[in-house]
Amino acid sequence: EAGVAQSPRYKIIEKRQSVAFWCNPISGHATLYWYQQILGQGPKLLIQFQNNGVVDDSQLPKDRFSAERLKGVDSTLKIQPAKLEDSAVYLCASSLSSPGLARNEQFFGPGTRLTVL
Amino acid sequence: QQQVKQSPQSLIVQKGGIPIINCAYENTAFDYFPWYQQFPGKGPALLIAIRPDVSEKKEGRFTISFNKSAKQFSLHIMDSQPGDSATYFCAALAYGQNFVFGPGTRLSVLP
Repeated sequence: EAGVAQSPRYKIIEKRQSVAFWCNPISGHATLYWYQQILGQGPKLLIQFQNNGVVDDSQLPKDRFSAERLKGVDSTLKIQPAKLEDSAVYLCASSLSSPGLARNEQFFGPGTRLTVL
Repeated sequence: QQQVKQSPQSLIVQKGGIPIINCAYENTAFDYFPWYQQFPGKGPALLIAIRPDVSEKKEGRFTISFNKSAKQFSLHIMDSQPGDSATYFCAALAYGQNFVFGPGTRLSVLP
């Protein structure tokens, strides 16, 4: 079974530039998550999709971050414009269903390491 | 109240030692407590998980101890190996909500 795929693996940009990350979840997984992992911290949920609908985006900085999940499969996360404090690893994860309904395991991708200069 | 505290921040043990990582929480609505293992350049992977109706769970060399009254849980790694060197995250989940992760513990097992 193929895992969660993410690209690019690394990205270096200057502040105020824009950047986009792509995620392809495990086939058949209805729920997709984007996490931000700052160095030395645990992952922090940015947004959760159930199929192509947003379930939770309460911690997404909506003035600069946006995400979409077209056709309930792949997802993109965009930052525009980037700030220095956005430097982090952005992790995508997927699960069969929402964790609140059933304790389905979340499978994480390798992440995209973003450096904002 | 949504935080999960984790200690120590880093830990160094000799091969064969038993590292212990501790986590504490306040939210009594949490009812699922997983531990994740993360190697450099990889995403976290589920290692073992426990529910509050049991006090201990073992899977291979990994054991979770759970103290509901103290709102604490810990991960023990028996006969630790250099390959166990990684960052370990505890997490907690309440029904209808999303995971809350601890800040992580960087474990180094020396040969």
